[in-house]
Amino acid sequence: AQTVTQSQPEMSVQEAETVTLSCTYDTSESDYYLFWYKQPPSRQMILVIRQEAYKQQNATENRFSVNFQKAAKSFSLKISDSQLGDAAMYFCAYGVSSGSARQLTFGSGTQLTVLP
Amino acid sequence: KAGVTQTPRYLIKTRGQQVTLSCSPISGHRSVSWYQQTPGQGLQFLFEYFSETQRNKGNFPGRFSGRQFSNSRSEMNVSTLELGDSALYLCASTPMAWVWNEQFFGPGTRLTVL
Repeated sequence: AQTVTQSQPEMSVQEAETVTLSCTYDTSESDYYLFWYKQPPSRQMILVIRQEAYKQQNATENRFSVNFQKAAKSFSLKISDSQLGDAAMYFCAYGVSSGSARQLTFGSGTQLTVLP
Repeated sequence: KAGVTQTPRYLIKTRGQQVTLSCSPISGHRSVSWYQQTPGQGLQFLFEYFSETQRNKGNFPGRFSGRQFSNSRSEMNVSTLELGDSALYLCASTPMAWVWNEQFFGPGTRLTVL
């Protein structure tokens, strides 16, 4: 079974600074997707960034980028120039892309606080 | 396009009752997945529907069931409610079921079981 581990229950960062959230996963699949979702106090899950396992290039979306290390099964999220609106719970998620076992497996989340 | 909508947003039930939650996906999306979110267990996959067929089911008891209609709207039902069923229930839709496009989540239904 696939597992996703987020070892940092809470993180804080000063506004305008950079923070990195960690995520590791365990899988025997070779083809899969990894995601970072953000859940603000409104509880609405919002996709931050997506990485296909077959792509070596790390995904980037504006101030958000990932460091995808496939061999190490590591998928960290870097937030640059942090803003107050980035404060939220961040979930790392794994999705297998083949067969009928199609579902997202989530980590336990990291609560990010942005300090003014 | 309107986003994923879930009704009701809040629900209070008592133990032993049953409940039905509804999810309307984004127009054109044919796959709907359901997740349960609790402080203790985190986010857990319940089931996925595509073209009115359940494609996959998570590790939940048979009290949890669902269905999907021809217009892709989905409902989930929980029978004989237990206190531990109190949770935020999220549904998510994607255009297709075999490609990992982005899953768009609804705002959730907060279920409280007393």
